[in-house]
Amino acid sequence: AQTVTQSQPEMSVQEAETVTLSCTYDTSESDYYLFWYKQPPSRQMILVIRQEAYKQQNATENRFSVNFQKAAKSFSLKISDSQLGDAAMYFCAYRSEGFQKLVFGTGTRLLVSP
Amino acid sequence: KAGVTQTPRYLIKTRGQQVTLSCSPISGHRSVSWYQQTPGQGLQFLFEYFSETQRNKGNFPGRFSGRQFSNSRSEMNVSTLELGDSALYLCASSRGGLAGGNEQFFGPGTRLTVL
Repeated sequence: AQTVTQSQPEMSVQEAETVTLSCTYDTSESDYYLFWYKQPPSRQMILVIRQEAYKQQNATENRFSVNFQKAAKSFSLKISDSQLGDAAMYFCAYRSEGFQKLVFGTGTRLLVSP
Repeated sequence: KAGVTQTPRYLIKTRGQQVTLSCSPISGHRSVSWYQQTPGQGLQFLFEYFSETQRNKGNFPGRFSGRQFSNSRSEMNVSTLELGDSALYLCASSRGGLAGGNEQFFGPGTRLTVL
């Protein structure tokens, strides 16, 4: 079974600074997808960024980018120019090719201070 | 385009009762997945429905069941409620294709409290 590990329960960053959230996963599959979801206090889960395992190029969405290291099974999220609105729980998730089921990590709470 | 809606948003039940939660996916989406979120267990997959058929199931007891209607709306039912069933229940919808990075959109969740 696939597992996702987020070893940082909480991270802090100041506005305008950069922060990196870590995620590692375990799988024997070669085709899969990785996601970062944001869950603000309102509880609505929002997709931040996704990465296809077959793509070597790291995904980027505006201030959000990932560092995908397939051999190391590592998938970190970098948030640049942090904003107060970035404060939330961030979940790393894995999805196998051929399935809709998402396997989530335990989450990292991101605190953003002015 | 309207997002995923879940009703009710909050529910309080007592042990032994049963409960039904509803999820309306985004128009055009045929797949609905359900997740349970608790502080202790985190986010866990319950099941997924596609075109009225359960396509995948997580590791939950038979007290947890679901169904999907022809308009893709989905319901999940929990019978004989236990204190441990207190959780945020999230549903997510997608177009349903299994190939490709099929994006799932989440609803706001239903907060169930079992007393």
